[in-house]
Amino acid sequence: GDSVTQMEGPVTLSEEAFLTINCTYTATGYPSLFWYVQYPGEGLQLLLKATKADDKGSNKGFEATYRKETTSFHLEKGSVQVSDSAVYFCALKDNTDKLIFGTGTRLQVFP
Amino acid sequence: SAVISQKPSRDICQRGTSLTIQCQVDSQVTMMFWYRQQPGQSLTLIATANQGSEATYESGFVIDKFPISRPNLTFSTLTVSNMSPEDSSIYLCSVESGARSGELFFGEGSRLTVL
Repeated sequence: GDSVTQMEGPVTLSEEAFLTINCTYTATGYPSLFWYVQYPGEGLQLLLKATKADDKGSNKGFEATYRKETTSFHLEKGSVQVSDSAVYFCALKDNTDKLIFGTGTRLQVFP
Repeated sequence: SAVISQKPSRDICQRGTSLTIQCQVDSQVTMMFWYRQQPGQSLTLIATANQGSEATYESGFVIDKFPISRPNLTFSTLTVSNMSPEDSSIYLCSVESGARSGELFFGEGSRLTVL
């Protein structure tokens, strides 16, 4: 079945460092791809999405590009802030319209 | 956007007991989703709850263990029955922002610990 694989955390960075969180997927069709974020003490919220190959989703300085050839949707940010500390979940919407989530990657940013 | 409130936010339960989690949405929605997040694992969909009909359960989840109610378009409950330590998880309620969009709004979750 369809699945999502994320890099394990925690990812620990200093403020203003470059961030990459890897996400790859396995799907039989052409899924939509998502990144969700969960800040401490809050519920999950959508960060960005891409619905077809080569689409780039972006929000709050984060970007991810839908790469069909490598079945990837890596999350990047050029300069992280302490306030970006959170757990990040990669997800896909399969052909039954269900969301399948990765295991989440915890990001810790230190001043 | 939708604001989702869940109760309780956390609880410690004894083995063999049952607990009901409530989910309240600030707007009317057709479908509500219940997820489970076990320690160190991804979110897993338990069931989809439509108002006026029985919930649709995913593989591995059954109504006897996780009965769901959906009495109106803004409210749902999930009961975890006859709990065991393996049921210790975060249970999350969510709704979709638009039909088939895949964009979900989540509650803060209910963290259950079963002793």
